[in-house]
Amino acid sequence: RKEVEQDPGPFNVPEGATVAFNCTYSNSASQSFFWYRQDCRKEPKLLMSVYSSGNEDGRFTAQLNRASQYISLLIRDSKLSDSATYLCVVLLWGSNTGKLIFGQGTTLQVKP
Amino acid sequence: NAGVTQTPKFRVLKTGQSMTLLCAQDMNHEYMYWYRQDPGMGLRLIHYSVGEGTTAKGEVPDGYNVSRLKKQNFLLGLESAAPSQTSVYFCASSTGQGANTEAFFGQGTRLTVV
Repeated sequence: RKEVEQDPGPFNVPEGATVAFNCTYSNSASQSFFWYRQDCRKEPKLLMSVYSSGNEDGRFTAQLNRASQYISLLIRDSKLSDSATYLCVVLLWGSNTGKLIFGQGTTLQVKP
Repeated sequence: NAGVTQTPKFRVLKTGQSMTLLCAQDMNHEYMYWYRQDPGMGLRLIHYSVGEGTTAKGEVPDGYNVSRLKKQNFLLGLESAAPSQTSVYFCASSTGQGANTEAFFGQGTRLTVV
């Protein structure tokens, strides 16, 4: 079983839709959590960190549930430019300190 | 403003050949990573380093070796390339711990083993 799991999609949504991505992680030593965005054949870039209290950045909202080991990303009012692959990322602590693990990514296609 | 630089960007190898991929960062980051990305597989961690002179195994270390002799450089070696190592390789660096840690990536190396 992968340490970080995501629904690979693809999610095909119309412009203006709200879409939610989910992610689960298996290692309880997970310390920090992130969402990265990757455009086709490009390097991943940080979209946002995920805090225990939940956090929002414009149209993007991230949630973390440590008890359920579950992370989510909500995108409101989808734009064509949101089309990309969204990667759930976990930074480990303890004996694996510094290990940065990626999920397989969820592909989003926003259509006119 | 280089950030993370990977060389080479493209390479074709014959089965059994060896090569070294170089990753260089100019941000004075402690942590560095090597990933491979295959279709539908996301990024899989090969090896990583939490400081100069240290290395650790990731999720898929077999067939690869790494060295971190200088803080700014992280080398990935393939001793005897196999077709299964055909992939896109990404290097990344970060400051390390914490919720605000951001990993910065190089542009990738596209490796084909024939």
